[in-house]
Amino acid sequence: DIQLTQSPSFLSASVGDRVTITCRASQGISSYLAWYQQKPGKAPKLLIYAASTLQSGVPSRFSGSGSGTEFTLTISSLQPEDFATYYCQQLNSYPFTFGPGTKVDIK
Amino acid sequence: EVQLVESGGGLVKPGGSLRLSCAASGFTFSSYSMNWVRQAPGKGLEWVSSISSSSSYIYYADSVKGRFTISRDNAKNSLYLQMNSLRAEDTAVYYCAREGDVWGQGTTVTVSS
Repeated sequence: DIQLTQSPSFLSASVGDRVTITCRASQGISSYLAWYQQKPGKAPKLLIYAASTLQSGVPSRFSGSGSGTEFTLTISSLQPEDFATYYCQQLNSYPFTFGPGTKVDIK
Repeated sequence: EVQLVESGGGLVKPGGSLRLSCAASGFTFSSYSMNWVRQAPGKGLEWVSSISSSSSYIYYADSVKGRFTISRDNAKNSLYLQMNSLRAEDTAVYYCAREGDVWGQGTTVTVSS
């Protein structure tokens, strides 16, 4: 099974900050990676798919990059509504594992 | 409006069974693969199972293999998860998802004596 790690696990940031979250896969997954945002008590929301394609309706301050084993999610200017937990998920092979999550909190 | 609505969650004793349903609307259900994902209290997301559009391909997480069965009825625009031999560690919010881009609100399963 492919394992995903995320760093950092927790991130404290201010409104307007540039934020970068890293997801690493235990083996190459090409560009078969998605990023989700989840707020407390809510279902996850798809932000990025195919490593770098922005889902329709998602603000352009979100961007994704990477391929193979290392991927990043960047929020160019953090907004109040972006404080949430972010997960990566590999879609290269079953089981479709998720990363452990990165919680973005208010500094 | 594209929508997924889960139902069927509840409190069940260890060893018991439960059947979750997911009703789809607003899109051509039969064209999409579907997934179940769960989240234990205070924990991260865990992929549970996937089924292809025509039910030809089915996959399970090792943690549920042999106990859970995913199925779908394209005529009824519905996805199901039959859960047997339930354990305390199956306690979670269960979400159905359309290939990751559309999610339901979740249904809560609690396994406790």
